[in-house]
Amino acid sequence: QKEVEQNSGPLSVPEGAIASLNCTYSDRGSQSFFWYRQYSGKSPELIMSIYSNGDKEDGRFTAQLNKASQYVSLLIRDSQPSDSATYLCAVIGNTDKLIFGTGTRLQVFP
Amino acid sequence: KAGVTQTPRYLIKTRGQQVTLSCSPISGHRSVSWYQQTPGQGLQFLFEYFSETQRNKGNFPGRFSGRQFSNSRSEMNVSTLELGDSALYLCASSLQEGYNEQFFGPGTRLTVL
Repeated sequence: QKEVEQNSGPLSVPEGAIASLNCTYSDRGSQSFFWYRQYSGKSPELIMSIYSNGDKEDGRFTAQLNKASQYVSLLIRDSQPSDSATYLCAVIGNTDKLIFGTGTRLQVFP
Repeated sequence: KAGVTQTPRYLIKTRGQQVTLSCSPISGHRSVSWYQQTPGQGLQFLFEYFSETQRNKGNFPGRFSGRQFSNSRSEMNVSTLELGDSALYLCASSLQEGYNEQFFGPGTRLTVL
């Protein structure tokens, strides 16, 4: 089992729709969770961090964490073509290392 | 505030050579982490430095090494390069070690021929 798992996609959504990106992790002791966005040919850009169960909203982005289910998700409301990128889930567990999933490619079509 | 900077941005080397990559963190950030990104393996953690000390290390061979200077700038070195070392090498900085948010530099694209 991979430490951080994501569906590779592509996830295709129409402009204006809600994009839902999911991530599961194996280390039950994980305490810190992050979502990064990576455009093709660019480095990852931090868009959300979440540390406690529940929802955290920042503009059009909402991160959701459920530690009991070892599940973290990212919702993007009113998706725009400029949101088309690979979204990386990252988790810091008991090893204190930031472990990345392989990413989900999101495509937003006009 | 300036972001994380990495030099050089692109590098071409041949097998057996060694290479040194440099990273300057965001001003005030004291922790620097290094990652390797390849299409097949994704982003993999190499090591983390804080206060000139290596705090954590990933599962890479001893050919990969690094250091951090008193001004928090960091270098990583890869000796005896192999074809499989071709990758994007990313540096990330954070305020402190451990659980903090990390911010990435633009990366160094290394090609080994």
